[in-house]
This record gives sequence, C-alpha cells and structure tokens, in this order.
Amino acid sequence: GAGVSQSPSNKVTEKGKDVELRCDPISGHTALYWYRQRLGQGLEFLIYFQGNSAPDKSGLPSDRFSAERTGESVSTLTIQRTQQEDSAVYLCASSLVPGGSFGGYTFGSGTRLTVV
Amino acid sequence: DQQVKQNSPSLSVQEGRISILNCDYTNSMFDYFLWYKKYPAEGPTFLISISSIKDKNEDGRFTVFLNKSAKHLSLHIVPSQPGDSAVYFCAADNAGGTSYGKLTFGQGTILTVHP
Repeated sequence: GAGVSQSPSNKVTEKGKDVELRCDPISGHTALYWYRQRLGQGLEFLIYFQGNSAPDKSGLPSDRFSAERTGESVSTLTIQRTQQEDSAVYLCASSLVPGGSFGGYTFGSGTRLTVV
Repeated sequence: DQQVKQNSPSLSVQEGRISILNCDYTNSMFDYFLWYKKYPAEGPTFLISISSIKDKNEDGRFTVFLNKSAKHLSLHIVPSQPGDSAVYFCAADNAGGTSYGKLTFGQGTILTVHP
C-alpha cells in the first residue's frame, strides 16, 4: 500500500486479556519502529526492527510486551495480561533505510488501545 | 527523565500572524532535530528538520531555529493558517552515534489558528 497501515484502529479489552496489534509498513521499507503515546505525553520508543531482527528492544516496558516481524514486512506487537496503564495509542513507523530520521519516517494512524 | 520538553501545552494564534513553538532538550548527544505535525486520528507527519551544524533551516512558511548553547529550538510558522491547527511534536536523534532513527519526542504543543 501507499502508507503504513495499522489494525485495528481501536481496541477495547478487559484487564488481564492479551492483545495483538498489527503493522503493515510501506513495501520495501527495511526499518520499522513501534512507539506509544499515553494521554498527555509524547511518543515513547518501544522497539526497532531492521529486517526481521530487533537490534533494540530497550523501550519495551515489561516482559508482557513482545514484538515480531516476518518477511521483512508485517510486524505484530503483543501485550499479554493487559493492565490499565497499557492504555495508549500505539504507533508504527517505517523507513526505507535505518536513520530515516534524516528525512523523517512515515507513521501509521495508530491503534488506540483501551484497557478496562 | 524527560530529555525533550515542550513546556507549552497549547498555543492560540490569529490567522496571518506568526506561531512560535518552543522545545528544550537536555541530552548534549542529540545532534539532529525534527518537527512533526499530527492531526486527530492520524499519525504524525514529518514537517522539517535541522542538523546541529546549522542554526536555521527554512522551508516555505516553516523555519526551525537551533540554539545549541541553550539547548533550545523553535519552530516559526509565518503566516499562520487555520489548516496549521494541529499538535506539533519536537523530536531529537543522536544521528552521529549508532543511530538508526530512534527518536526522543517532546510532549507536544496544540496549536490553534483562529480565522
């Protein structure tokens, strides 16, 4: 597709349930990033993929969070045993090469996760 | 520990006037700075950037100024238009290090431009 696609756009889940968030990056983009934005805060880095590898997972808040990428394309962010503090907008971005910050990378519209 | 701060949560400006959005950072390793614009229910979009070797970068109505000694940057929009109403995020990168585009963002400033 022309842009970064994320699904679902909205997700309401009960505390303690697992959720999966999906990101389809721009075709050919080797670098993929996950960020999250909690209410009233800036975007927090979660994880970076180069191809299917994740050289930097330093932003994942706890071991309840995991992510994978396959086929150098789709990425899935999984949150196990969700807690209310996980409520946020989860944003995925991709760039053609790492260091896409020089031209800015392309964000998806995000998944708004609400844990009740 | 917030390394990038936007201390003004909101800014209201009249159409045609100048909008000035400010950003401060604490990490002296940051050497590349970006501004993103975000409309509701959309992802942030890249607006303009500046390298630490410069003190000014201009693109049409948008100019970013960098004051390294003060660890401060600002985005000027002249003239402001109602379509500029959005949330503006400042972001920083250590591009000279082993960077791969991992950005540190500020909290954002909501800009409202009144007709």
